[in-house]
Amino acid sequence: EADIYQTPRYLVIGTGKKITLECSQTMGHDKMYWYQQDPGMELHLIHYSYGVNSTEKGDLSSESTVSRIRTEHFPLTLESARPSHTSQYLCASSDGFNEKLFFGSGTQLSVL
Amino acid sequence: KNEVEQSPQNLTAQEGEFITINCSYSVGISALHWLQQHPGGGIVSLFMLSSGKKKHGRLIATINIQEKHSSLHITASHPRDSAVYICAGGSQGNLIFGKGTKLSVKP
Repeated sequence: EADIYQTPRYLVIGTGKKITLECSQTMGHDKMYWYQQDPGMELHLIHYSYGVNSTEKGDLSSESTVSRIRTEHFPLTLESARPSHTSQYLCASSDGFNEKLFFGSGTQLSVL
Repeated sequence: KNEVEQSPQNLTAQEGEFITINCSYSVGISALHWLQQHPGGGIVSLFMLSSGKKKHGRLIATINIQEKHSSLHITASHPRDSAVYICAGGSQGNLIFGKGTKLSVKP
């Protein structure tokens, strides 16, 4: 049902590398979100976007950046990966802030 | 203490049983979400509600704004309902998530 896609699905990378996690949706949603989830733990908001050229920081935003140049695309960049970044990263979108969320399949990141 | 608390943390049921998962929150919210997460991580939205009650198939979600409490009910549970159920509340895009309830339905 969900037309929201994340790549890569899995990524293993060395400490210090710059990485970009991709997220695209074809539903024309204005609102997009990035969440981080450790195993067995709750999701935490990293960044969200109201629409093109509009981004906001969440609780865990300090070590990453996002951009929203096109409605359908919301990439997340880690400038210098660290082992503490090892986690699952989930992208989501919605038609409005109080609307149903659609999630991508996630990117499982391992930083060695 | 998390601002969104779920109970129970783990729940095992026999096929056919009626199941209730509870969610209490201490933050102001404009909407509360119930999500289902299967092994492998995929998350599906089940309900988004700001008042009253919603029903979809065997699933029912209720919310009491005054008591800051929501419940998710599953009638006639089935092994395919086995998953982690997550509630989340907030406003203006900044959702706070519960830790989830891991449900296992045995045949």
